[in-house]
Amino acid sequence: EAQVVESGGGLVQPGGSLRLSCAASGFTFSGYWMHWVRQVPGKGLVWVSRINSDGSSTSYADFVKGRFTISRDNAKNTLYLQMNSLRAEDTAVYYCARDRWRASAFDMWGQGTLVTVSS
Amino acid sequence: EIVLTQSPGTLSLSPGERATLSCRASQSVSRSSFAWYQQKPGQAPRLLIYDASSRATGIPDRFSGSGSGTDFTLTISRLEPEDFAVYYCQQYGNSPLTFGGGTKVEI
Repeated sequence: EAQVVESGGGLVQPGGSLRLSCAASGFTFSGYWMHWVRQVPGKGLVWVSRINSDGSSTSYADFVKGRFTISRDNAKNTLYLQMNSLRAEDTAVYYCARDRWRASAFDMWGQGTLVTVSS
Repeated sequence: EIVLTQSPGTLSLSPGERATLSCRASQSVSRSSFAWYQQKPGQAPRLLIYDASSRATGIPDRFSGSGSGTDFTLTISRLEPEDFAVYYCQQYGNSPLTFGGGTKVEI
């Protein structure tokens, strides 16, 4: 069964760092663009970042630019989100999502991992 | 940034009824790069419609999408009990990708 599974969330102090991982299985990970999307519990979805299939191109929402870095290891079938200089407003559930076809809709989502930024 | 405004915020209906959800974009969405997702409590979103009107794999035909430019609609022809959820629209034709605020379909 094709799936993506996030990990790495947790409690971190303001100004701290955290690295999220998304392990893919059951499909050819290297053939797909991937995204991170976040959701404050009880609120809406917000796109965070995107990476193309070979990792050569990335894009970010303005509110994370310069603080977050998306990357991937196609040999390990894993997507990453390095989050630095975390703020309270970064508290959310972070989902990784598979892009249907190179700048298309998201046809596979993980269950999410909760990041809480608090002192 | 393209702002997506969903209406109504909440839709109160009964099983068997027709649901019509709207999403209006602040500027034209290129190439009908538009999607609808369903999200139930405690679950990840699920893709229903992509490219404005194409059903995703495994989605029942009671779900249909239409629209272009700035106005898009998701129609659920006959609500089933499992359809009561929050629905989000998304545009992916322009960066940054953006989502609407959601419409809750409740009994």
